[in-house]
Amino acid sequence: GEDVEQSLFLSVREGDSSVINCTYTDSSSTYLYWYKQEPGAGLQLLTYIFSNMDMKQDQRLTVLLNKKDKHLSLRIADTQTGDSAIYFCRAGRRALTFGSGTRLQVQP
Amino acid sequence: EAEVAQSPRYKITEKSQAVAFWCDPISGHATLYWYRQILGQGPELLVQFQDESVVDDSQLPKDRFSAERLKGVDSTLKIQPAELGDSAMYLCASSGTGQDSYEQYFGPGTRLTVT
Repeated sequence: GEDVEQSLFLSVREGDSSVINCTYTDSSSTYLYWYKQEPGAGLQLLTYIFSNMDMKQDQRLTVLLNKKDKHLSLRIADTQTGDSAIYFCRAGRRALTFGSGTRLQVQP
Repeated sequence: EAEVAQSPRYKITEKSQAVAFWCDPISGHATLYWYRQILGQGPELLVQFQDESVVDDSQLPKDRFSAERLKGVDSTLKIQPAELGDSAMYLCASSGTGQDSYEQYFGPGTRLTVT
């Protein structure tokens, strides 16, 4: 079956860069996505990448895609305390499978 | 800015009772999704609608869960009877057509607690 995996926790200091990683098994989806979820809230679409690209930059966010290794990463530059949240990648067949989420903790 | 609306935001019910959740997608979005998110996990797709038709309900526990989208706009997800293991956040999402069909916009969710 489909599998999308993420590390559970990441802690960084304010101002540093954060890198959140995701691996997947099914590479058939056209797009791959990153979402942010704050406590008690729904999911907010942060960014996405087309499957034939290897990098996409959007302000402080950079998405890297390694199709050969089925590895997706999200880099947040100049991480702020407001970036503290859980981050989910979405991939898989028809891009309907979410990872289990990475909790990002930003220390002042 | 258009948003996906869900109600109620919180629901506490006793096991064996019936419970229903409502979702109103972004206007014009043909595709509607219901997800279940257990604490500490990512969302799991329960059912996907294209207009009023079910596209995928392979993960929906059909013995107790039902979903409908009668006029192809808003949707209701029902659980009867509720079980303790149904305690979770129920998220609704919608997406448009064409290239926009890949971007899903989520509502705030309904947090269900079954006692």
